[in-house]
Amino acid sequence: KQEVTQIPAALSVPEGENLVLNCSFTDSAIYNLQWFRQDPGKGLTSLLLIQSSQREQTSGRLNASLDKSSGRSTLYIAASQPGDSATYLCAVLNAGGTSYGKLTFGQGTILTVHP
Amino acid sequence: DVKVTQSSRYLVKRTGEKVFLECVQDMDHENMFWYRQDPGLGLRLIYFSYDVKMKEKGDIPEGYSVSREKKERFSLILESASTNQTSMYLCASSRTSGRPTDTQYFGPGTRLTVL
Repeated sequence: KQEVTQIPAALSVPEGENLVLNCSFTDSAIYNLQWFRQDPGKGLTSLLLIQSSQREQTSGRLNASLDKSSGRSTLYIAASQPGDSATYLCAVLNAGGTSYGKLTFGQGTILTVHP
Repeated sequence: DVKVTQSSRYLVKRTGEKVFLECVQDMDHENMFWYRQDPGLGLRLIYFSYDVKMKEKGDIPEGYSVSREKKERFSLILESASTNQTSMYLCASSRTSGRPTDTQYFGPGTRLTVL
């Protein structure tokens, strides 16, 4: 059964720092890996989607990488801002097993960027 | 833009009540999903549907049922609400679920409290 782990569980940084969030998964049979953002009490917003054949995706100050063979992804946030404060969730879209076609989520990293 | 709406943002119910949570999507998506989100447990799939009148159990279907009579609408039903069903409920939809480009679009969530 697919398991997704995110490290760290929480992170607090001063504004302007570059930071890295980590995600690992146990089964490499995936279609893609996504990073979502969730603000308190709200739904999820997709930030980046990396297809299984891709190595990275970039959007503005965000860069996500994928190493499918080792079961790892990182989300890099450059020049962090207080508006980046949120929970960041990693999820894989499973391509095999009993979870075929379903997303498996990590438990998230709570990011706080203070001025 | 894809829009997924949920009937209520906040809901308070009594133990034993029958509870209906409604979700509507406007992009003619085939697949719809219901998750619950709890601190420390992350997002867990309750039920999903890949077509009208079709449904499949997710990881935690006990105590829940679903209905999909129209393509755009997916309802989650708590037959007899219990306090352990107090949670954030998130609905999502996707066009397909077996391609590297597939992503799910999430509604804003319903915070359900069962007293």
